[in-house]
Amino acid sequence: EADIYQTPRYLVIGTGKKITLECSQTMGHDKMYWYQQDPGMELHLIHYSYGVNSTEKGDLSSESTVSRIRTEHFPLTLESARPSHTSQYLCASSVSNQPQHFGDGTRLSIL
Amino acid sequence: QKEVEQNSGPLSVPEGAIASLNCTYSDRVSQSFFWYRQYSGKSPELIMSIYSNGDKEDGRFTAQLNKASQYVSLLIRDSQPSDSATYLCAALFSGGYNKLIFGAGTRLAVHP
Repeated sequence: EADIYQTPRYLVIGTGKKITLECSQTMGHDKMYWYQQDPGMELHLIHYSYGVNSTEKGDLSSESTVSRIRTEHFPLTLESARPSHTSQYLCASSVSNQPQHFGDGTRLSIL
Repeated sequence: QKEVEQNSGPLSVPEGAIASLNCTYSDRVSQSFFWYRQYSGKSPELIMSIYSNGDKEDGRFTAQLNKASQYVSLLIRDSQPSDSATYLCAALFSGGYNKLIFGAGTRLAVHP
């Protein structure tokens, strides 16, 4: 069983607010990822990190930012939320050449 | 051509039948493949990994890899209504960073 945790599970918040979605893993995985997925649609990689102090943008352009100060922690921040940011955000982690394991996700709704 | 392609379905099979899910891939992916199951509103869950040509069996699931045809498949024997979900085929991106390239997913519906 993968130990990767995301908080909050659900968030409904107004436009213009600053939001941080938390993701933590206790497996010591060096690689971590953020995906965005709308209901019934494909997964899109928006950010990834292959170690502390390394972050890269993914395949889908996103207005969010990430940081990786500690191995186990990979938070995602939206400085000013907009309705277009409404989606499900999934965090995952892995070690080299091994499959990724996903957290339960955060369902974000911007009013 | 997308790196990993799947038929979006839905694939409808009766309970007890074999469900066959297929995936093709391009030269831009490495030779490590994974099948994830995703229930509606939930996160993807890894069910099978396959790295070499041939078949790999785990319970009711069999993954098949054919490198010559660039084809990966997942067979589910004795399908149950609880198997109804979207099945995502994924491959490691050959450019590194352990990035996974996901297919769009195939919706499977198992009816009683």
